Formats: sequence, structure tokens, C-alpha cells
Amino acid sequence: NAGVTQTPKFQVLKTGQSMTLQCAQDMNHNSMYWYRQDPGMGLRLIYYSASEGTTDKGEVPNGYNVSRLNKREFSLRLESAAPSQTSVYFCASSEGRGGNTIYFGEGSWLTVV
Amino acid sequence: KQEVTQIPAALSVPEGENLVLNCSFTDSAIYNLQWFRQDPGKGLTSLLLIQSSQREQTSGRLNASLDKSSGRSTLYIAASQPGDSATYLCAVKKGGSYIPTFGRGTSLIVHP
Repeated sequence: NAGVTQTPKFQVLKTGQSMTLQCAQDMNHNSMYWYRQDPGMGLRLIYYSASEGTTDKGEVPNGYNVSRLNKREFSLRLESAAPSQTSVYFCASSEGRGGNTIYFGEGSWLTVV
Repeated sequence: KQEVTQIPAALSVPEGENLVLNCSFTDSAIYNLQWFRQDPGKGLTSLLLIQSSQREQTSGRLNASLDKSSGRSTLYIAASQPGDSATYLCAVKKGGSYIPTFGRGTSLIVHP
């Protein structure tokens, strides 16, 4: 069972470079999320997609863009990476509004030098 | 704004102890509460989901309770084992919302 799959798992970027984190889920979920996790800060929501065709900003959207490519895929793009974006990024999905379990990917470790 | 607090932030216990992890939230109008486990270098794994109409959920040695009126949930781990060492996070979701609010977690070490 694949669940939520993220790629790449590790990436080192130079300041100013761009990259895209890919996420796909095979559970036919409507909602998908991107979080970042930093020591002492907990999980912070970057963007979410309530359903296919919609995206909304979370708590820390600056410096990021997202695309809900289809129901399965939700990508996160860093247009011009900064050292402050060094973090672990998690993609998650759930059925949607209401009382449903949230499933997480294994994470993507990003270092910006 | 919903705030979720987990106390203690870290806990170290000897193997075999029964232990309780706490999660408190400021807005009692929640739809559900979920407990997660996170191992180092890994993503979050769902342990238990409690709907607002439920008082508790059990899975093996884990039991989670929910008291909406007091804004509290506890995760009870019976007969702890070294393999239980991980960070445990709780998250609450309001009715009609797509977005869960997470606590910062309790880091648990169970030593042999």
C-alpha cells in the first residue's frame, strides 16, 4: 500500500535555485496538504487543497507555490530558494472536511546553502 | 484561534511503566481529535482517531480518551516498551474545517 508518496526524499539547493517537491496519493482523497516541520516550531501548514481545482494559503505560504495537478497529485514549488526554507516538508491527504484520518508521506529533507 | 498544547514536551520512563500523554485544546467545538506517532526521520503515522461524539478509542496497548467540555485528551500507553520511543502528536479538527491544528508533540523515550 503506497499511501502518500513524496519525492525527492533529500535535496540540497543553492540559494536562488528553484525546485519542485512532488506528492501523490492513491487513496482517492479529496484534500491534500503541504507542511513544513522545524525544530521548536512544530508542524506549520504551507498550502492546502480542499479538493481538486482549489488551493489555499496556510500559515506560512510566502516563498512557495502549489499546483493541484489532478486528484492524486499536489506539488510544492520553491521559485527562489532561501536558507530559511531549509526544513523537512511533509505532504498529507485526507478524505476532506469532517472526521477523517489524515495520512502523511515520509517527508522530504531540503537544505538550502 | 484554536491552540493545542502537549505536556510534557519530553518524557523518559523505564520499560514496563504505564504512562499518560496529555493534549489540551482551547476551543471545545471540535469535530475530531487524532493521535499520531512520529519516529525519527519519518513521517507521522496515525494511531487513533476520536470523533467528537466518542469518549475513547482503543488499539492494542493504546487508549485515547476525549473530554470535549474540558478541552482535554489523554493517550494512555500500557506496559511501555523501548519500541514505543517516538514523538507523539495530537491534532484537532473543527467541524466544517479542512485544516487540523497540531500540538508540538511529546518526545517519549522508554529505556530498557
